[in-house]
Amino acid sequence: GENVEQHPSTLSVQEGDSAVIKCTYSDSASNYFPWYKQELGKRPQLIIDIRSNVGEKKDQRIAVTLNKTAKHFSLHITETQPEDSAVYFCAASKNYGQNFVFGPGTRLSVLP
Amino acid sequence: DAGITQSPRYKITETGRQVTLMCHQTWSHSYMFWYRQDLGHGLRLIYYSAAADITDKGEVPDGYVVSRSKTENFPLTLESATRSQTSVYFCASGQGAKEQYFGPGTRLTVT
Repeated sequence: GENVEQHPSTLSVQEGDSAVIKCTYSDSASNYFPWYKQELGKRPQLIIDIRSNVGEKKDQRIAVTLNKTAKHFSLHITETQPEDSAVYFCAASKNYGQNFVFGPGTRLSVLP
Repeated sequence: DAGITQSPRYKITETGRQVTLMCHQTWSHSYMFWYRQDLGHGLRLIYYSAAADITDKGEVPDGYVVSRSKTENFPLTLESATRSQTSVYFCASGQGAKEQYFGPGTRLTVT
């Protein structure tokens, strides 16, 4: 089955700096890659997603890039703010949204 | 967010007891999912359902039972709870190839 790895497990950045989180997946048939943000004690919420026919997608300060050949995708957050502090999960799915496999998460801390 | 609810929000039960976690969504989403969240493992899929009366196993289905007689409800039953099933359980729903909306979670402790 699919296996998703995520690095780093923790990440601390200064406010205003950029943060990058990387995920790799094992199943070349995976074609949908969402990123979820989970604040402490809250539910996960989608922040951005990308499909396998797209190499990059941006939404204001966040962007996701996908390298299908290498089977990895990354989340980029620019101009980080304290409210970006949370746990971020990547996921991979076949059939565009069925049966997600999540990575173990990255705890991002943005230091003021 | 009020469109998907879970009950109870907190539950303490004893080893060997049966417990059912409820999930209800008001969006008429066809897909519903159950995950468990444990430190170091992220979110792991237990079961999912593509429509009423259609369910399928996820990554960690052992010890769990689901049913989906109505589109809006997707209960998860632990037939004989074990300590290893202590976790936070999230239900989610989605309309196929789009965002999954998560419920607020149920914190289950098995003593």
